[in-house]
Amino acid sequence: KAGVTQTPRYLIKTRGQQVTLSCSPISGHRSVSWYQQTPGQGLQFLFEYFSETQRNKGNFPGRFSGRQFSNSRSEMNVSTLELGDSALYLCASSRVGVTEAFFGQGTRLTVV
Amino acid sequence: EDQVTQSPEALRLQEGESSSLNCSYTVSGLRGLFWYRQDPGKGPEFLFTLYSAGEEKEKERLKATLTKKESFLHITAPKPEDSATYLCAVNSNDYKLSFGAGTTVTVRA
Repeated sequence: KAGVTQTPRYLIKTRGQQVTLSCSPISGHRSVSWYQQTPGQGLQFLFEYFSETQRNKGNFPGRFSGRQFSNSRSEMNVSTLELGDSALYLCASSRVGVTEAFFGQGTRLTVV
Repeated sequence: EDQVTQSPEALRLQEGESSSLNCSYTVSGLRGLFWYRQDPGKGPEFLFTLYSAGEEKEKERLKATLTKKESFLHITAPKPEDSATYLCAVNSNDYKLSFGAGTTVTVRA
């Protein structure tokens, strides 16, 4: 059974640019969550989607946005990148709620 | 706001030296407590979910327990391959996991 797939694995962007990250959940999983992981802040919740609806959003600026498609695949977008956005972005999927959420390998974003 | 505190921050063990990691939490209504293992540069790997006080789960050399205020992850006779960061997270009623900062375990042969 395939796990959660995140693409790309690595990205280098320049300040002011925007970026889109992709997440394909485990087959049959309809809930997708996104997290940002940094050495200083640890794992911070960004947002959660279920059936194309955002059910919860973390304390991040409006530059961070996401969406979910009818096949449960999800994307997140960060506009006007700042140096502080450099982080490991993790996607997790679960069947319905966030019980037993399984994570992908993450996308390492570096902003220069 | 859910709060999760893990201790210690780092733990250095000799191979075979058993120990425990602590996760204390404050939530409005616990729907689940989760343990993950994370290796450097990789995503967290799911280990256990605990739902109610008194519950215990085991997997190989790991055993997780839950009380009303904290959870423990016991590592019995650890091996070098158990070296990793262990993360604790809680879920209350708002469709998200709140994570602790993690405990980095190093097991020396």
